[in-house]
Amino acid sequence: DSGVTQTPKHLITATGQRVTLRCSPRSGDLSVYWYQQSLDQGLQFLIQYYNGEERAKGNILERFSAQQFPDLHSELNLSSLELGDSALYFCASSSAGRGPYEQYFGPGTRLTVT
Amino acid sequence: GIQVEQSPPDLILQEGANSTLRCNFSDSVNNLQWFHQNPWGQLINLFYIPSGTKQNGRLSATTVATERYSLLYISSSQTTDSGVYFCAGISTNAGKSTFGDGTTLTVKP
Repeated sequence: DSGVTQTPKHLITATGQRVTLRCSPRSGDLSVYWYQQSLDQGLQFLIQYYNGEERAKGNILERFSAQQFPDLHSELNLSSLELGDSALYFCASSSAGRGPYEQYFGPGTRLTVT
Repeated sequence: GIQVEQSPPDLILQEGANSTLRCNFSDSVNNLQWFHQNPWGQLINLFYIPSGTKQNGRLSATTVATERYSLLYISSSQTTDSGVYFCAGISTNAGKSTFGDGTTLTVKP
């Protein structure tokens, strides 16, 4: 158990809908990272937050947004969902804002868009 | 962003065999990790190794930062070692995490 929690574990929804994925980092970690793992694109970095502020941005679509709250948990919002958004979404946390620090991954949320 | 190349893409071994997985980076990274993704999808930390050599049981890893590559050694492989092995780094310049495409390891009894 990495200490990073993600909810829900599974999510099935329809195209056009909006969902929110939640992540709680390890105790004491200030950074949260979001990743998408799909069959055709592997593990893609989406975005990083450090202590409530956006720190680095990857291949995150405009339909997706994220935030980190004062209690350090983070939410990833996915809107206008498309079939291609079906993927495993991981959250990771680390103790610092910008390397070199080890990232610990949560169990992931499996999103299925039908 | 940086490119991360892993080799080989697939590896099939008999139980008890040894193997070496390689990860090349196109630019310098200051945060290099190896992960094992098990058949249930869980990403398990193996090594945090921006440079040098580390060992943990049957696994060891070496990173030569100046030459932008890292190696993961698996000795006396077991069926439970099966899964996908990823390396990942954070670019020194951009601060963005990049994963390789992974090496899929199958260990046969």
